[in-house]
Amino acid sequence: DTGVSQNPRHKITKRGQNVTFRCDPISEHNRLYWYRQTLGQGPEFLTYFQNEAQLEKSRLLSDRFSAERPKGSFSTLEIQRTEQGDSAMYLCASSLETDDYGYTFGSGTRLTVV
Amino acid sequence: TQLLEQSPQFLSIQEGENLTVYCNSSSVFSSLQWYRQEPGEGPVLLVTVVTGGEVKKLKRLTFQFGDARKDSSLHITAAQPGDTGLYLCAIRGTYKYIFGTGTRLKVLA
Repeated sequence: DTGVSQNPRHKITKRGQNVTFRCDPISEHNRLYWYRQTLGQGPEFLTYFQNEAQLEKSRLLSDRFSAERPKGSFSTLEIQRTEQGDSAMYLCASSLETDDYGYTFGSGTRLTVV
Repeated sequence: TQLLEQSPQFLSIQEGENLTVYCNSSSVFSSLQWYRQEPGEGPVLLVTVVTGGEVKKLKRLTFQFGDARKDSSLHITAAQPGDTGLYLCAIRGTYKYIFGTGTRLKVLA
């Protein structure tokens, strides 16, 4: 098992463009989380999946953001009509349903909107 | 209002020095975790503390959960440049973990 994998590692896009990020969790983990982290801050929760069901979304996740986990395995996070304020590190994490002892994070996708 | 306050925000010390960073809240938690994050990488779990007053050691790192389970500290003995990073505390909310603002530590050789 190679851990949680995120692609791409870096993305530079022009304002107004759409971007999509992918997360491949640890294979036996049925819980998957997306967080956003800006410089100098801790990660902020965006959304959570248990298997393919999206169970919670943060108010930070505006209408321009959508996340999917169609088969309960990998997940995608799409941002439409990107804005400069979307520039951040987008982190994916996974855990077991019975695991109350923390996440395994991916290395993140750093988005820069110019 | 930030649920978890970490202090100090920034810390720059010389190799070999000792340091303590803090994570505080006005709420009581069932458990608290500490993570370390290196630049360009995701956070890595260091430890989970669950019992008030609990002390856990991880090599030169000592973690303590407050008796009232509202605060925690991380003490590093004889810091090394490899300890450089962002130290985050986190508590479990409904379905998710909530992170503090972090302490950015730089250890100079």
